Amino acid sequence: EAQVTQNPRYLITVTGKKLTVTCSQNMNHEYMSWYRQDPGLGLRQIYYSMNVEVTDKGDVPEGYKVSRKEKRNFPLILESPSPNQTSLYFCASRGQGDVRYGYTFGSGTRLTVV
Amino acid sequence: DQQVKQNSPSLSVQEGRISILNCDYTNSMFDYFLWYKKYPAEGPTFLISISSIKDKNEDGRFTVFLNKSAKHLSLHIVPSQPGDSAVYFCAGAFNYGGSQGNLIFGKGTKLSVKP
Repeated sequence: EAQVTQNPRYLITVTGKKLTVTCSQNMNHEYMSWYRQDPGLGLRQIYYSMNVEVTDKGDVPEGYKVSRKEKRNFPLILESPSPNQTSLYFCASRGQGDVRYGYTFGSGTRLTVV
Repeated sequence: DQQVKQNSPSLSVQEGRISILNCDYTNSMFDYFLWYKKYPAEGPTFLISISSIKDKNEDGRFTVFLNKSAKHLSLHIVPSQPGDSAVYFCAGAFNYGGSQGNLIFGKGTKLSVKP
C-alpha cells in the first residue's frame, strides 16, 4: 500500500531533550515536506526537500532540523524542544511533475513538550 | 501576510443540501488550487484541484469554482452527507520555480453535516 509513515504517533517529552520524528514513504517520491498544525493557524510548512541532500526552509523553520540522506526518509529533528513546539506534525510526499494531485500526508505525530 | 484565507471557521449544513466552502487568496501567481479534507486523528487527504487557467472542475459530488478576477474559489458539495463532516483546507501551489509544489494552506473550515 502506498503510504507515508510517521513515528511515533504520540510523544510527550521534556523541554530541552532532543528528539527525532521519523518519516518514511514507499512511493519513490522526490519531494517531501514537514508541516505543523495548530488551532486557528492551519497547516504551516516547516521544511521541505526536493530530493536527496536538497532541503530548504519553509515558513516556520526555527527550532527544527531535517536531513534527507535517502530518498525514502525525511526525519524531523528537534535539538532542544520547547513548549511552543507542542503541536500536531505531518510529513508529506509527492512525485515530480505537476502539482495538481498535491502531497500525500502521513497520519500525524502529536507532540507535547512540557 | 496570509496568502490563502478561509474566513469561515465553521459551517453547518443539513444532509442532502449543498455545502459551499469559500477561499480567498492574495497571490495571483498560484498555478493550482487544491482542497484537502481532514478527519480527526488522520492526515489531510487530497480531494480536488483546479488549475489557475480553469474556472471549474468537477469530480462526482465535488465541484470547485475559481473566479480569478475576485481571487476567490469555492468548493461545492452536492448533496452533502454526514460522512463529509470534516475540516476542509484550501491550498495554493506553484508549478514552477524554487517553491514548486509547496502548498500554502488556509486555516481551514470545519464542516458539520447534520442528519
